[in-house]
Order: sequence, then C-alpha cells, then structure tokens
Amino acid sequence: ILNVEQSPQSLHVQEGDSTNFTCSFPSSNFYALHWYRWETAKSPEALFVMTLNGDEKKKGRISATLNTKEGYSYLYIKGSQPEDSATYLCAFPGNNNDMRFGAGTRLTVKP
Amino acid sequence: KAGVTQTPRYLIKTRGQQVTLSCSPISGHRSVSWYQQTPGQGLQFLFEYFSETQRNKGNFPGRFSGRQFSNSRSEMNVSTLELGDSALYLCASSYRQGGNYGYTFGSGTRLTVV
Repeated sequence: ILNVEQSPQSLHVQEGDSTNFTCSFPSSNFYALHWYRWETAKSPEALFVMTLNGDEKKKGRISATLNTKEGYSYLYIKGSQPEDSATYLCAFPGNNNDMRFGAGTRLTVKP
Repeated sequence: KAGVTQTPRYLIKTRGQQVTLSCSPISGHRSVSWYQQTPGQGLQFLFEYFSETQRNKGNFPGRFSGRQFSNSRSEMNVSTLELGDSALYLCASSYRQGGNYGYTFGSGTRLTVV
C-alpha cells in the first residue's frame, strides 16, 4: 500500500504555462523527501532532496517547497517547455530503510 | 564517471522459467536497491544490498531473490516466472545504506513473461 500520494495523476499544459503538482506523505517520523524526474526511455533522475520544514529548492525553472508538519510538498515548473514532459516522482524513506515512491504525476507539455 | 548499468535491457521469458538480471552500480557506491514497476503502480521496493548483505526486503514472494558481489555488482533472480512478473525492473545505487541520500538509477530491464 502506497502512503505517498501524488496528484494529479496526469497533466497536460501548453508551452509557456506554469504548473504545479503535489506530493502528500505521512508527517510523522519525517526524515527527507525526494523528487525525481523520469523521462520516457530514460532513468529516473534526482531533482531535489528536501529535509527541513519550509525548505525551498530551485533548479532552473523547477522549484519545490516542503511542509513537514502537514505532510506535503509542491513541485512548480515555471514557463513549461516540451522538454519538461516527464513523470515526476516523489519518495521518502520508509521504516524499512526503503524508499517509498508515489505513483507519479505524468506531465505533457504541448508546443 | 560511468552510471548505473543494467543488463539486459529487454528480456522475454516463458512462464515457469527463471531469470537473472544484473546491475553494476556507480563506482564507490556500496548499496544497490531493486524496484519493480508495473503499469499503474509506483515503484515497488524489492530489496537492498549493502556490502554483500541483504539489508532490507520488500513484500515480494520468495521467488524473488538477489545477491551482491564483493565489487558491489548485484544480481536479481526470479524463479518460476508468472505472467504478473512482467514489469520494468530498476536498480538504484547509493553511497550509503538506505535511500536517505538519494539514488542513481539504471535504465532498467523490461521483462516480459509470456
């Protein structure tokens, strides 16, 4: 059973639109929250590791925020480009020292 | 710096057969974790190996097993294949045990069981 929830499941936007999606996770025993970007036919690629409540990280046009008290993280993409089309995964370390992944948000950016 | 290498990339097997998948981590990484992805599902944790020892195991039947060699390369074995084992199998390497420090993923092995 996944206890990492991501929404929406999929998203279609036009080139130039800004977009955001959500990752919800159990707020107790928080250690870290990871975001990955997974392009079709490639390997998942690490985007951010977030550890502190209120943390905000940025990489180019992509940024992420973290609220550990309420158990959510937002990923924002400003001015989406077709090359941003990918599945965005969030994950956090479980009790078993495994990484628990959400099902992902599949983003399609239309030119 | 070479990435995580998984072989083979694609595999077709028949029900009842067994299969072995291989993963070579990034040089210096001692942890290798294996994940399964099936359509509509998130990545499901199979197991993690660190310093040649299985440290953690996910909720998969005993038909799924693995091992790690002294050079940190890891193999995953699935015996008595079932149709439901058709999936993308990803391995991920990390410098330390557990996923807390993030993973570097391989490109995966896509297994089809017919």
